[in-house]
Amino acid sequence: QKEVEQDPGPLSVPEGAIVSLNCTYSNSAFQYFMWYRQYSRKGPELLMYTYSSGNKEDGRFTAQVDKSSKYISLFIRDSQPSDSATYLCADNTDKLIFGTGTRLQVFP
Amino acid sequence: NAGVMQNPRHLVRRRGQEARLRCSPVKGHSHVYWYRQLPEEGLKFMVYLQKENIIDESGMPKERFSAEFPKEGPSILRIQQVVRGDSAAYFCASSRMVPGQGSYNEQFFGPGTRLTVL
Repeated sequence: QKEVEQDPGPLSVPEGAIVSLNCTYSNSAFQYFMWYRQYSRKGPELLMYTYSSGNKEDGRFTAQVDKSSKYISLFIRDSQPSDSATYLCADNTDKLIFGTGTRLQVFP
Repeated sequence: NAGVMQNPRHLVRRRGQEARLRCSPVKGHSHVYWYRQLPEEGLKFMVYLQKENIIDESGMPKERFSAEFPKEGPSILRIQQVVRGDSAAYFCASSRMVPGQGSYNEQFFGPGTRLTVL
């Protein structure tokens, strides 16, 4: 079993839709979760990070952690074509452990 | 304010040749990490280095791969006698702080080097 699991997609949505991206993790010791965005042929860039259970909001993005079910989510409101990218969840408790990434396509 | 620099951006090698990938961290960062991304797979940790020291190489293949971060100059990831399975994107990241230790620590990624082995 992979330590961080993520549906690879692709996920295709129309502009303006609410997008839900999800990850599960297996190690109860994990506690620092991060979402990276990676455009094609580019390096990942940090989008958001969370520590505790609950929600964290930043503009159109909301990160959610449910430690009881080991579930991490990223919500994107009012999605834009410029959001089209691969989204990687990761744990950073010890070293960065990434999920495989979900490819998102937002079409106009 | 330059970010992480990696070169070359693209590297083509024939089987059996050596590949050298370079990484210059963000100015002021003394921690460097190397990751490999195979097609349709996520980023996999390879090695964590500080200046002149390898701290964690638990993700490095046991043979043919080596990494260094000298006192002066960039970090180098070296792959000897490359095989087709080494074809991947190799990313370098750097950070200011020590990773883990129960604290959030952002790693800044470079644009990657895409290695193709013919």
